[in-house]
Formats: sequence, structure tokens, C-alpha cells
Amino acid sequence: GENVEQHPSTLSVQEGDSAVIKCTYSDSASNYFPWYKQELGKRPQLIIDIRSNVGEKKDQRIAVTLNKTAKHFSLHITETQPEDSAVYFCAARVWGSSNTGKLIFGQGTTLQVKP
Amino acid sequence: DTEVTQTPKHLVMGMTNKKSLKCEQHMGHRAMYWYKQKAKKPPELMFVYSYEKLSINESVPSRFSPECPNSSLLNLHLHALQPEDSALYLCASSPTAGAEQYFGPGTRLTVT
Repeated sequence: GENVEQHPSTLSVQEGDSAVIKCTYSDSASNYFPWYKQELGKRPQLIIDIRSNVGEKKDQRIAVTLNKTAKHFSLHITETQPEDSAVYFCAARVWGSSNTGKLIFGQGTTLQVKP
Repeated sequence: DTEVTQTPKHLVMGMTNKKSLKCEQHMGHRAMYWYKQKAKKPPELMFVYSYEKLSINESVPSRFSPECPNSSLLNLHLHALQPEDSALYLCASSPTAGAEQYFGPGTRLTVT
């Protein structure tokens, strides 16, 4: 069935280091891959997304890469700061009933950035 | 207005109560969603409305009843809930179903 696997489940880095989170999806028809950041007690926030016609996308300190052949995509955060500490969820769009798009989420990665 | 709003922020209800959760967006989005989220878990999709029609019901128990009165509003009617239904209920909207989704702040529901 439709599945998105996310690794690692927890990640601890020193401030200023880079962090990488990886996801693998199962549905070859998936063509849209967003990343969400959820701070404790807050709503998930869309931080970056990528579509299948693009291999990489950057926005300041964050970037996402996509390998369609291998069905995996990754989030890269450079020069991490304590405010980057949060749970990060990857997602992939699949097609449900009535050909309606929906997102399948990974299990989440808890990122801790130590000052 | 670029936000999704939800009311109430917190709700405590007994197993025999009837209550409703409300969600509103004024971004002109044509898809709206209800999710359930437990602590340290990803959001779990419950319902998708596309152009005000229920398009996806992820086999949700009938004690949860969604309603989309118009393109800006989404309700979730709750009746005879169980303690295991206690969770954060998130509403989201997107321009079309499956596109970039924007979440509301959620309603923290406790069933006693």
C-alpha cells in the first residue's frame, strides 16, 4: 500500500552543523513532496516542497533533493540554530478515492539543536 | 487573510456529549481536511472535502460527522466519543486537493 518511511526518528546536532532527514515513498505516481515543521504545541508549518519535475530546491538554509528513480527525497538544513529544534514530517501526494489527492506523512524526525 | 482558524482551542467533553469543532479559511482554497494527531505521531487523515463535496472518508467511525456548509467553513460534529478519541484535531486547507496544505492551530480534545 501507500507508505512513506522517514529516518532517522531522532537527530541531535550541535549549533552550526548540518542536519539531513531522509524519506522513501512507495507510490511511483507521487509527484509532490512537502516538508512540515512542527514545534511543540504548534501547528505543522509548510517549510519547503518539491515537485517531481525538479531535482533540487533551496530556500536560504534549507534545501530538498528528490531522486525519482530511487523514490527518495531528503531535507537538508545547514548552519542549524536552536530555533530549528522541532519535529519534521515529510509527505508524499498520492491519489485516493474519486481521484482526489491526499498526503501520506512519514513518522517524523525530532531534531534537537544544541547551543 | 492567509491563515486557517479553528475554534475552540481546547474542548473537554463527556462520552455522552455532542459538540462541534469549527474551521475557517479565507484564502479561496477549494479543498479542506480534518486530521487527528496523537502526541509524537504524524497527522492522520480523516476526511477530505473538495469543492464542498466529501471526497475521502478514511473509514472514520460514524461518531465523527463532517460538514462543509460553504467553501470557507468546515465543521466536525462529535457524538458519543470514546476516551481514545482524545487528541489534537487539525483542520487544513489547500488550493486543490493534494496541493500544498496549510494547517490551523488545532483543537485539543479531551474525552472523559
